[in-house]
Amino acid sequence: AQSVTQLDSQVPVFEEAPVELRCNYSSSVSVYLFWYVQYPNQGLQLLLKYLSGSTLVKGINGFEAEFNKSQTSFHLRKPSVHISDTAEYFCAVTLMIKAAGNKLTFGGGTRVLVKP
Amino acid sequence: NAGVTQTPKFQVLKTGQSMTLQCAQDMNHEYMSWYRQDPGMGLRLIHYSVGAGITDQGEVPNGYNVSRSTTEDFPLRLLSAAPSQTSVYFCASSYIGLNAEAFFGQGTRLTVV
Repeated sequence: AQSVTQLDSQVPVFEEAPVELRCNYSSSVSVYLFWYVQYPNQGLQLLLKYLSGSTLVKGINGFEAEFNKSQTSFHLRKPSVHISDTAEYFCAVTLMIKAAGNKLTFGGGTRVLVKP
Repeated sequence: NAGVTQTPKFQVLKTGQSMTLQCAQDMNHEYMSWYRQDPGMGLRLIHYSVGAGITDQGEVPNGYNVSRSTTEDFPLRLLSAAPSQTSVYFCASSYIGLNAEAFFGQGTRLTVV
């Protein structure tokens, strides 16, 4: 079975500082990787995804993530955060096998609090 | 431009009561799913459907029932509510495809007392 671990449950960060959210996964088969963001009192929306090709993926709102196959990691970064980036961030995977369908496996989430 | 619509947004139930959480999407997505969100545990899959008339269990299906009579609607039924079902519930939809983007509703916050 696959699993996703987000190493930090909360990350406080000052406005305009960089932030990195760590995600590691475990799976016996190859996976597709996703980062979703949940703003307060809202549903989740897709930030970015890694399917294949370049290991550096750029997403919306200035976020990017790097896939590292040897370390089974998919860390999310932003060089300069804004107050509006305060949200919970979820790393997720789907298995690269047809039988698994669209089922997403999520990590526990990382709550980012941007301070002025 | 509604996307995925969930009702109600909030609900309080007494132990043993039943209720249905509604989910509707207007994007003609084949795949729909229900997740529950609990602190520190991320989202866990309850049930999913790959099309009208086809449903299957996810990771945590006990105490929940689903049906899919149309492409648009995917209701989730709590048969006999328990305090352990206090959670935030999200419905999601997407096209069929391993790398398809999932679109989420705004959630239903359920408290069982």
